[in-house]
Amino acid sequence: DVKVTQSSRYLVKRTGEKVFLECVQDMDHENMFWYRQDPGLGLRLIYFSYDVKMKEKGDIPEGYSVSREKKERFSLILESASTNQTSMYLCASSLDRGAQYFGPGTRLTVT
Amino acid sequence: AQKVTQAQTEISVVEKEDVTLDCVYETRDTTYYLFWYKQPPSGELVFLIRRNSFDEQNEISGRYSWNFQKSTSSFNFTITASQVVDSAVYFCALRQGDSNYQLIWGAGTKLIIKP
Repeated sequence: DVKVTQSSRYLVKRTGEKVFLECVQDMDHENMFWYRQDPGLGLRLIYFSYDVKMKEKGDIPEGYSVSREKKERFSLILESASTNQTSMYLCASSLDRGAQYFGPGTRLTVT
Repeated sequence: AQKVTQAQTEISVVEKEDVTLDCVYETRDTTYYLFWYKQPPSGELVFLIRRNSFDEQNEISGRYSWNFQKSTSSFNFTITASQVVDSAVYFCALRQGDSNYQLIWGAGTKLIIKP
């Protein structure tokens, strides 16, 4: 079974803090993705990576950066958290162009 | 333009009823892939099925079945004899071609199964 894990289920941070969300997959997938999910706005892609050290912007990359130093790990970084980044963050991975498999999500609250 | 439409925002049925979730897509590509995902209240998105554009065979998996019709650009999902555990938000998604990694997501349909 594919397993995608995320570092935290719930996270509370203050405005202006630097926030790291970690995602690890154990299936040797090339592709990894970060989404955010908000009521009424659905799933929106922030960044994805198709190889180590490679990244591509998704639909809403502003205010975020990513890092992929190892194949199994994909980090989402909020350089200076703001209240409008309060959201559910979902990480996914896929093999080639197959189905994306998701982690449990991190519910981030920025106060 | 590429688009996935799930017109049903919310559906509520009584347990053991059959229910169909609609998904209509738009794409200009001849090669594309369609997906269904389930998101239970716990929040994790669970992959259910992937279909490619060259395979119009319907699929059945237990109480779940999928009807893919290219003529109407639809990929509908039916749950037979629904159960309370089927309560979730269901998403349909589209990936175009062979050179695109991104999924285009529908807005989701919230399915409520009442006991």
